[in-house]
Amino acid sequence: EPEVTQTPSHQVTQMGQEVILRCVPISNHLYFYWYRQILGQKVEFLVSFYNNEISEKSEIFDDQFSVERPDGSNFTLKIRSTKLEDSAMYFCASSGTLRQGGGEKLFFGSGTQLSVL
Amino acid sequence: LAKTTQPISMDSYEGQEVNITCSHNNIATNDYITWYQQFPSQGPRFIIQGYKTKVTNEVASLFIPADRKSSTLSLPRVSLSDTAVYYCIPSGGYQKVTFGTGTKLQVIP
Repeated sequence: EPEVTQTPSHQVTQMGQEVILRCVPISNHLYFYWYRQILGQKVEFLVSFYNNEISEKSEIFDDQFSVERPDGSNFTLKIRSTKLEDSAMYFCASSGTLRQGGGEKLFFGSGTQLSVL
Repeated sequence: LAKTTQPISMDSYEGQEVNITCSHNNIATNDYITWYQQFPSQGPRFIIQGYKTKVTNEVASLFIPADRKSSTLSLPRVSLSDTAVYYCIPSGGYQKVTFGTGTKLQVIP
């Protein structure tokens, strides 16, 4: 079964450093997302991406965050200057066909645990 | 965005059927109801989706009454591996998928 792949599984960084989290969505999917989950809290939406541009973003997704689809397969989340409160599990997700009615069926990766020291 | 209410937690013994009900009183006409499962330190996993009446797949059944103001996820004969958080999410059209706090199901041996 096709799956969303995320690398690395764990990332430790110093406060103020830049990090790039990588994702390979399911190959024929068109919509891409980043979510994050702070330990013990809800899964929070960060950003959605379609047709090579951001379609929606949350308040969390400020100027320190950016996303990119540099080629036909990868989808990345960059945090320019990490803060302690960015420590969380970051999930990439993708969804498939054009929305012909119906709700979204998101397929999630297994996540990258980011620890900012 | 439809607000949902589900139990914070539930316990069940192995082998029992578990029903988790979610209320979504202000669900929009074009919203479907989707349920996800999340194990600790893993991403949510799609389980089942429906619009009305009953949907069944190899994992679960979903019951949605005619007024669509609630839905019930039914897990037959749960095992320890079904211990997880279950999320009910109405969404449709171009809305983003927003997760609530979900229902933490603990299966007891």
